[in-house]
Amino acid sequence: EPEVTQTPSHQVTQMGQEVILRCVPISNHLYFYWYRQILGQKVEFLVSFYNNEISEKSEIFDDQFSVERPDGSNFTLKIRSTKLEDSAMYFCASSEGFGSNQPQHFGDGTRLSIL
Amino acid sequence: GEDVEQSLFLSVREGDSSVINCTYTDSSSTYLYWYKQEPGAGLQLLTYIFSNMDMKQDQRLTVLLNKKDKHLSLRIADTQTGDSAIYFCAENGGSARQLTFGSGTQLTVLP
Repeated sequence: EPEVTQTPSHQVTQMGQEVILRCVPISNHLYFYWYRQILGQKVEFLVSFYNNEISEKSEIFDDQFSVERPDGSNFTLKIRSTKLEDSAMYFCASSEGFGSNQPQHFGDGTRLSIL
Repeated sequence: GEDVEQSLFLSVREGDSSVINCTYTDSSSTYLYWYKQEPGAGLQLLTYIFSNMDMKQDQRLTVLLNKKDKHLSLRIADTQTGDSAIYFCAENGGSARQLTFGSGTQLTVLP
């Protein structure tokens, strides 16, 4: 069964450094998402992306975050100047459509640790 | 804003049924989802239900939706040790673009 893949599985970065988290969505999916889960807290929506544009973003997704579809297969989340509070598990998801009957499929996540 | 609540822990004996409950506040939710997370793994979509349905069955899984009370439950029949995981309830609040998750219920299956 096709799946969403994320790399790396664990990223350790010094505070203030830039980090790029990578995702390969399911190949026929057109809609892409990033979520994060801080340890002990709920999974939170960050951003959705379609047709090379951000569709929706949450309050968490401020100017230090950006997303990109650099080629036909990858979808990336960049955090420009990381802070300690960015430490979390970051999940990428994709869906075939934006309709409510097109469920989102998630990757295994990247655990980001900021030192 | 929207909120989704779940109890944090549930323990059952192997072979028994498990019932995981979820409540939500957003009356515009059109789809409600159950995801499963095993240790070290991502969120696996288990099943989902459209808000105009009140029940959906898929093999050992039964989803019940009480839209009036905004209550969703997931019943796992004949629970096995492999069902031990965290189960997340999520709703889309009428927007297909973002999901709101509950805190997850840690299901422990005892031999």
